[in-house]
Amino acid sequence: DGGITQSPKYLFRKEGQNVTLSCEQNLNHDAMYWYRQDPGQGLRLIYYSQIVNDFQKGDIAEGYSVSREKKESFPLTVTSAQKNPTAFYLCASTDGGGMRKQYFGPGTRLTVT
Amino acid sequence: QQQVKQSPQSLIVQKGGISIINCAYENTAFDYFPWYQQFPGKGPALLIAIRPDVSEKKEGRFTISFNKSAKQFSLHIMDSQPGDSATYFCAASSNYGGSQGNLIFGKGTKLSVKP
Repeated sequence: DGGITQSPKYLFRKEGQNVTLSCEQNLNHDAMYWYRQDPGQGLRLIYYSQIVNDFQKGDIAEGYSVSREKKESFPLTVTSAQKNPTAFYLCASTDGGGMRKQYFGPGTRLTVT
Repeated sequence: QQQVKQSPQSLIVQKGGISIINCAYENTAFDYFPWYQQFPGKGPALLIAIRPDVSEKKEGRFTISFNKSAKQFSLHIMDSQPGDSATYFCAASSNYGGSQGNLIFGKGTKLSVKP
């Protein structure tokens, strides 16, 4: 089965701890994205990567970090510097074709207390 | 200028009715306009998309209408069903400038279809 997997589905952390969210794709897509979703806010872009070993900040990158060491993997670390980390996090990838179809993973709900 | 404005925030429709969600944009460089459907606790899924060289695209009960001069596009769901109850997002992107084809999303419309 081709697709995007995110793990875990639910994640609980104490305030002050860093946490890493996993995102893996077997679609052979070059571009990968991380979004944050809050109620009534739509999807806000955190980081994106167009190619291995390269990534750019999105609109709300403060308090987050990423790496792209392999084409199929794009983990997101939520650091203790992120003021309000509790949210639903979505990973996506794009086929890079003319239609720029973006495919999403199932999401990880992070709760920090 | 990068914003996509979506309305309404929420919509209640009777089963069998037509659901209409509207989006407006400013950036004339946008050249790809998809709609996504999201069920609670799930990731969004691509529903239908259009390019500005056509004014309408239909896939089953879902239709995108596109008005280039008004910089507006809308999603019409014909014969709405309770299973269509979800949040719908419009989006837009351009390969020009610094955006690198990144999608700009509207804030979403929560649709409830009453039986």
